[in-house]
Amino acid sequence: GNSVTQMEGPVTLSEEAFLTINCTYTATGYPSLFWYVQYPGEGLQLLLKATKADDKGSNKGFEATYRKETTSFHLEKGSVQVSDSAVYFCALPFSGGYNKLIFGAGTRLAVHP
Amino acid sequence: GAVVSQHPSWVICKSGTSVKIECRSLDFQATTMFWYRQFPKQSLMLMATSNEGSKATYEQGVEKDKFLINHASLTLSTLTVTSAHPEDSSFYICSTGTSTDTQYFGPGTRLTVL
Repeated sequence: GNSVTQMEGPVTLSEEAFLTINCTYTATGYPSLFWYVQYPGEGLQLLLKATKADDKGSNKGFEATYRKETTSFHLEKGSVQVSDSAVYFCALPFSGGYNKLIFGAGTRLAVHP
Repeated sequence: GAVVSQHPSWVICKSGTSVKIECRSLDFQATTMFWYRQFPKQSLMLMATSNEGSKATYEQGVEKDKFLINHASLTLSTLTVTSAHPEDSSFYICSTGTSTDTQYFGPGTRLTVL
């Protein structure tokens, strides 16, 4: 079945640093890929998604490109802010869909001024 | 997008008691809802799929008699943790949506069993 492997955290950066959080997947076919974010004390929010190979999802300065050659969907941001401190989850659907998701382990990002 | 609420947001109970967690879809008719469990500093693990008007579907390894799910209406699913024990302490999250691309998550319920 489908699976996802995500870079372990925590990641600690200074404000304006470049961020990369690695995510690789195993999947049947080419499912949509997602990055979700969980801010302290809040529920999960969809950060961005890509629905097919070579698609680039982007939102709030974050980007991730669906790369089927390397089965990767790495999250990047050129200049992080303190407000980006959160836990980030890479996700993809279960095999067969049914709207349920498999999540990576989560990467905690802490950005310091 | 759809708004999903959960109640309570946190609960503390004694070992051996049962706790009910509600998940409500406030502006969306949810024929299906999903229940996830998140251990501290870990990922979300799907527990079960809640189906309106029918039995829930549980993931492998999840005890259906332990985690009772009821989905009696299009706006409400409940998860009851029966005879809770400290190892059941966790963060429980529900979600719903029209497709994998459009899933809305509740804010979660933190359960602590003493």
